[in-house]
Amino acid sequence: AQSVTQLGSHVSVSEGALVLLRCNYSSSVPPYLFWYVQYPNQGLQLLLKYTTGATLVKGINGFEAEFKKSETSFHLTKPSAHMSDAAEYFCAVSDGRGGADGLTFGKGTHLIIQP
Amino acid sequence: DAMVIQNPRYQVTQFGKPVTLSCSQTLNHNVMYWYQQKSSQAPKLLFHYYDKDFNNEADTPDNFQSRRPNTSFCFLDIRSPGLGDAAMYLCATSRDRLLAGVETQYFGPGTRLLVL
Repeated sequence: AQSVTQLGSHVSVSEGALVLLRCNYSSSVPPYLFWYVQYPNQGLQLLLKYTTGATLVKGINGFEAEFKKSETSFHLTKPSAHMSDAAEYFCAVSDGRGGADGLTFGKGTHLIIQP
Repeated sequence: DAMVIQNPRYQVTQFGKPVTLSCSQTLNHNVMYWYQQKSSQAPKLLFHYYDKDFNNEADTPDNFQSRRPNTSFCFLDIRSPGLGDAAMYLCATSRDRLLAGVETQYFGPGTRLLVL
């Protein structure tokens, strides 16, 4: 079965610093990979996704992620953190095996921005 | 704006008392999903509808049912809520199945269920 591991349930960075949120997946077929953001008491919003093609994917709010097949990783980065980036971030994978059409999510990483 | 709407945002029910959560969408999407998200955990897919076709996840308890009377609405029924069912319930939609071209899922704001 596919799975997602997000390293670090909490990540704290200073405003203006680099944001790096780690995601590793397991899938026996080429995966489709997603990053979602969840603000308090809100639903999930898609930041970016990887399907095929270019391995560096740019998303909204200045975020980007790089698919590295050899490392089975899809880490999320942003060059300069902003206070408004404080939220929960979920990495997710879909490979459709078994007819499942939903996403398998990681446990999430809570991003804290220090002023 | 086209969107996914969930009502109510907060729902309190009593142990064993049936409860229904609702979701509506103005996106005219074919697929609607229900996820359960417990505190500090990842969302977990319960089931989804592809048009009128119902697809249940293997480990979704029988206590959870769903109805989709038309394209726009989908309901989550919990027949006999237990304390362990307290969670955020997220509704999502996608234009087509994720298998077909990796459609984006659009999420509603969620309904937080409290079981007393």
